Amino acid sequence: AQSVTQPDIHITVSEGASLELRCNYSYGATPYLFWYVQSPGQGLQLLLKYFSGDTLVQGIKGFEAEFKRSQSSFNLRKPSVHWSDAAEYFCAVGPPISSGSARQLTFGSGTQLTVLP
Amino acid sequence: DGGITQSPKYLFRKEGQNVTLSCEQNLNHDAMYWYRQDPGQGLRLIYYSQIVNDFQKGDIAEGYSVSREKKESFPLTVTSAQKNPTAFYLCASKDREKQHFGDGTRLSIL
Repeated sequence: AQSVTQPDIHITVSEGASLELRCNYSYGATPYLFWYVQSPGQGLQLLLKYFSGDTLVQGIKGFEAEFKRSQSSFNLRKPSVHWSDAAEYFCAVGPPISSGSARQLTFGSGTQLTVLP
Repeated sequence: DGGITQSPKYLFRKEGQNVTLSCEQNLNHDAMYWYRQDPGQGLRLIYYSQIVNDFQKGDIAEGYSVSREKKESFPLTVTSAQKNPTAFYLCASKDREKQHFGDGTRLSIL
């Protein structure tokens, strides 16, 4: 069964500092990987996704993530955090499109990001 | 603009009452989903539907029911059998690559 682990429940960084949010997954094949962001009381917005190819993917709002197969990781990074980045971040894994499965994504438990002025 | 609309934003349920959460999408997506979100637990799948008139149970379907009579609509009913319904509920639809989410409904018990 697929699973996703986000080991950091809460991270606090200062504005302008760099950020890395960790995500480890368990899946029988190369999965599709996603990072979503959620502001309080809102739905989830897709930041970026990895399907295949270049293991460093660029997303919106200056975020990037690197897929490392050997470590089963898909960590999210940003070089310089802005106060508006304070939110909850979810990593998710899904089956390959080729599997024909529409079942679902499996989400991590989330990492809450606080940004200090 | 295309998107997913969930209503109401806040909903209150009395003991023993069934309530229905609305989810409408105009993205022409076949697949739709309902998730439940509790603090510290991420999103858990309640039900999903790949096509009209068909739906499947997710990981926590007990105490919930759904229908999919139209492509655009996927309402979720929280029945009185759901003993702990207080949560944030998210509806999503899926294109070929990714899921798109509504803004959620927060359900509380009176």
